[in-house]
Amino acid sequence: DTAVSQTPKYLVTQMGNDKSIKCEQNLGHDTMYWYKQDSKKFLKIMFSYNNKELIINETVPNRFSPKSPDKAHLNLHINSLELGDSAVYFCASSQGGGTETQYFGPGTRLLVL
Amino acid sequence: AQSVTQLGSHVSVSEGALVLLRCNYSSSVPPYLFWYVQYPNQGLQLLLKYTSAATLVKGINGFEAEFKKSETSFHLTKPSAHMSDAAEYFCAVSKHTGTASKLTFGTGTRLQVTL
Repeated sequence: DTAVSQTPKYLVTQMGNDKSIKCEQNLGHDTMYWYKQDSKKFLKIMFSYNNKELIINETVPNRFSPKSPDKAHLNLHINSLELGDSAVYFCASSQGGGTETQYFGPGTRLLVL
Repeated sequence: AQSVTQLGSHVSVSEGALVLLRCNYSSSVPPYLFWYVQYPNQGLQLLLKYTSAATLVKGINGFEAEFKKSETSFHLTKPSAHMSDAAEYFCAVSKHTGTASKLTFGTGTRLQVTL
């Protein structure tokens, strides 16, 4: 009965490869997010989708492309992986914006070698 | 632009002692403020949030925070620390963008609880 789930939990890959991270939420929320947490634990928003529509698109390299097949899923595809992409990526969801709580997934730890 | 500053990247307290984690915010509009906790190798869990109702907000696990507009602060406190409170704590401010909210996080404070 996990609320926000991510797969895989760990991802180790070589520079230049393309990889995807999947996120699913069963909370019935309309809005989903991707955050990146770097090695110093700093968290920064990357994208947000509401009901499959892109709402927030921060300054992120265009190698990162989010895809939302339906409002319960938000996947993150990364092309041509670089060393600096190594981080923990968190998916989150909320029922709209404003004061609504964002519920976070367990994270995907990406290591690029 | 909205931002939060967490003073002290690392705080150590004895079990049973008062916990005080500091957060100051900067916002041009009345802010929505949040405290999240991250246990090792886990995602973030909401502790509490301020939404312009009561200035003293009570959260889970005995934590509370007081919104002080004059000091632009939203410090997190707990009267008596427990070993299980050891974790990373993040203060965040929310910017509403229609159907989504952009959370801007502080740099985090690692709480260590010693015997």
